[in-house]
Amino acid sequence: QVQLVQSGADLKKPGASLKVSCEASGYTFNSYSIHWLRQAPGQRPEWMGWINASTRKTKYSQKFQGRVSIIRDTSASTFSMELRSLGSEDTAVYYCASDSNASGQYSWFDFWGQGTLVTVSS
Amino acid sequence: DIQMTQSPTSLSASVGDRVTITCRASQSISNFVNWYQQRPGRAPKLLIHTASTLHSGVPPRFSGSGSGTDFTLTITSLLRDDSATYFCQQSDSLPYTFGQGTKLEIK
Repeated sequence: QVQLVQSGADLKKPGASLKVSCEASGYTFNSYSIHWLRQAPGQRPEWMGWINASTRKTKYSQKFQGRVSIIRDTSASTFSMELRSLGSEDTAVYYCASDSNASGQYSWFDFWGQGTLVTVSS
Repeated sequence: DIQMTQSPTSLSASVGDRVTITCRASQSISNFVNWYQQRPGRAPKLLIHTASTLHSGVPPRFSGSGSGTDFTLTITSLLRDDSATYFCQQSDSLPYTFGQGTKLEIK
């Protein structure tokens, strides 16, 4: 059974950076991707970017280009997403989600983490 | 970016009913549409991918169809447990985008 477990809720001040981690387990194959999405209160999910779990190749939404980084930590199954220069509009639940298609193309998100609420407020 | 527009934005139905949710893409996206169910305070769950393929473990009461720009999610024999918000998502091109959601209430 695939499981994605994310780090806990966080409170950030405007201008700060956030980092959310996601530990993956239960995969029986080497090739998959991890995507990061966020969902503001009452809104639809918004895709932020993805990373190939093996090659560490990344691709980001232009909306977040230059402000977001997705990495695979030294532990091969832990992934992190960092978002910099936070504003109040970044208040959202952040999710990691897996995709058994390692290319990151034509992706669907078959398993999701439990979500991490990040609140940006002074 | 490809815009995804769902209708209706909300609907109310009874246990045992059949409901259909529609999703329209702003340009042709072949069959690259996926559907998710989200209950309050929970992460979305994949129901259907590539327009009509049921995800593992999802009951066959859920079905999807469509291609090009118009897609539908149909739920038959509604259960109280189906009360949730349903989202479509296009996977034709980056950035992946979602519809605004359809909130389904079970009377």
